[in-house]
Amino acid sequence: EIVMTQSPATLSVSPGERATLSCRASQSISNILAWYQQKPGQAPRLVIYDASTRATGVPLTFSGSGSGTEFTLTISSPQSEDFAVYYCQQYLSWPPTFGQGTKVEMK
Amino acid sequence: EVQLLESGGGLVQPGGSLRLSCAASGFTFSNHAMTWVRHAPGKGLEWVSAIVGSGGRTYYADPVKGRFTISRDNSKNTLYLQMNSLRAEDTAVYYCAKCLKPDGTCYFDCWGQGTLVTVSS
Repeated sequence: EIVMTQSPATLSVSPGERATLSCRASQSISNILAWYQQKPGQAPRLVIYDASTRATGVPLTFSGSGSGTEFTLTISSPQSEDFAVYYCQQYLSWPPTFGQGTKVEMK
Repeated sequence: EVQLLESGGGLVQPGGSLRLSCAASGFTFSNHAMTWVRHAPGKGLEWVSAIVGSGGRTYYADPVKGRFTISRDNSKNTLYLQMNSLRAEDTAVYYCAKCLKPDGTCYFDCWGQGTLVTVSS
């Protein structure tokens, strides 16, 4: 099983300040990585797939990068609606596995 | 519009059973693998089970293997999760989610609103 590790657990940023979230895979997964956003009481929402492709309707302020074992989700100018928990997920092999999440909160 | 609507959650005693359903609409159901993902209180997302579009192959996470059974009825556009021998650690919100492809691992491009399963005496 591929283990996904996210850091930091919590990220405190001011509105408009760049937020950078990290995700590391225990083995190379090429670019087979997705990012999800989850707000309290809501279902997860796909944000990025194939490591860097924005899902439909996702604003340009979200960008993904990386390949192999190191990945980054950047929110260039977080607005109030962007404060949430973000999960990475690998889908290279069974079972698909998620990171433990990074909570992006307002400073 | 793609929609997934789960039902069937509730309170059950340890050792009991529940069957979750997920009604799908807005897409050709049989063309997509489907999955169940759960979110336990205070924890992260955990993949539970998946089934290919034809229903001919299923996959399970180790913690639920032998206790849960995933199935689908493509004529009814409905996904199921039969959960037996439930344990306290199965307490979670269960989401059904749609895979972009009919088979293989994938990311999940659409999620239902979730149904809460509570296992407690």
